[in-house]
Amino acid sequence: AQKITQTQPGMFVQEKEAVTLDCTYDTSDQSYGLFWYKQPSSGEMIFLIYQGSYDEQNATEGRYSLNFQKARKSANLVISASQLGDSAMYFCAMRVNNAGNMLTFGGGTRLMVKP
Amino acid sequence: DVKVTQSSRYLVKRTGEKVFLECVQDMDHENMFWYRQDPGLGLRLIYFSYDVKMKEKGDIPEGYSVSREKKERFSLILESASTNQTSMYLCASSSMTGPNEKLFFGSGTQLSVL
Repeated sequence: AQKITQTQPGMFVQEKEAVTLDCTYDTSDQSYGLFWYKQPSSGEMIFLIYQGSYDEQNATEGRYSLNFQKARKSANLVISASQLGDSAMYFCAMRVNNAGNMLTFGGGTRLMVKP
Repeated sequence: DVKVTQSSRYLVKRTGEKVFLECVQDMDHENMFWYRQDPGLGLRLIYFSYDVKMKEKGDIPEGYSVSREKKERFSLILESASTNQTSMYLCASSSMTGPNEKLFFGSGTQLSVL
């Protein structure tokens, strides 16, 4: 079975600073994908970034980057230049390619950006 | 703009009631999912569907059933609601096209069972 662990239930960061949200995963499969979603207080889940297990370079999307360390089974999200609007819950998720099309989610990290 | 719509944002029901949560997507997606979200536990998969009239159990199907009579609509049914089913319920959809295909989510239904 697949498992995603987010060890930081809550984090503070100063506006304009960078922050890293941790995510570790457990799977015996070689082919998988990792996702990060943001959930603001409105409740909607917003897709941020994707990393495939065979991708050699770390994924980047604007201020978001994914620090993918395959041997350590970690997929940390880095947010650069934090903004007040980044305050939200953040979820790491994984899809194993031979296990259907569903995502397995971690418990989430609540990020609070201080002005 | 792509859209997954959940019929109710907030819902209050009594123990023992039959509850229907409706979800509609306008993206012609094959896959649809129901998750429940609880603090500290993240999102847990209840049921999913790959096609019309097809359903598969997720990680926590007990106490729930689903219906998919049309491609765009996926309903979650609580046959006899219980207080431990008080939660945020999120519907999602995706296409079948590839492993990096992301899920599109609705805004969620916060269900309270009294």
